[in-house]
Amino acid sequence: SQQGEEDPQALSIQEGENATMNCSYKTSINNLQWYRQNSGRGLVHLILIRSNEREKHSGRLRVTLDTSKKSSSLLITASRAADTASYFCATDKGYSTLTFGKGTMLLVSP
Amino acid sequence: GAGVSQSPSNKVTEKGKDVELRCDPISGHTALYWYRQSLGQGLEFLIYFQGNSAPDKSGLPSDRFSAERTGGSVSTLTIQRTQQEDSAVYLCASSARDTSNYGYTFGSGTRLTVV
Repeated sequence: SQQGEEDPQALSIQEGENATMNCSYKTSINNLQWYRQNSGRGLVHLILIRSNEREKHSGRLRVTLDTSKKSSSLLITASRAADTASYFCATDKGYSTLTFGKGTMLLVSP
Repeated sequence: GAGVSQSPSNKVTEKGKDVELRCDPISGHTALYWYRQSLGQGLEFLIYFQGNSAPDKSGLPSDRFSAERTGGSVSTLTIQRTQQEDSAVYLCASSARDTSNYGYTFGSGTRLTVV
């Protein structure tokens, strides 16, 4: 069954704007990770947040985790055309295999 | 190598033929994973290898699918008697043992088209 569900399915913004993507999941997790995928090929790991963490930053990325609501958000600030990609959340329930959502397609227009 | 290498990058095969997909993980990564992604969909877990332990095959969709990992390094995913629904991008990833602190490193995938 699908563990992570991203919302929205697609997002279109202008360069310089912020992009926010959300992820909901159903069962307890050890950590939650976000990945980016360009052109339907390999995924690139962006950031990992552990279940005892509430917020994490990496460059223009900000991730929050609310374990009481079983949800996470990924904020990309000051977006660029190069940020155009699909973004996936993945949950680690401690069994060493990640469960991925269906992703959010982000389009950043110049 | 520096990254996870998959070959071939693209494969077109006729329905009913067998195919082999190869994955060469990052040196020293003990864990190796196979996922597949159908058009516009998320990633579907197929199989997981960790060191010398028995693999977790719980995601393999049918007995036409099998995988092996030789010497704890290179892995081969074999699909026998391919069907059109097998068309997808097959992604391999590897990780260090401690997945609580590190994510996966993915290869660029093999795009399989069954005609």
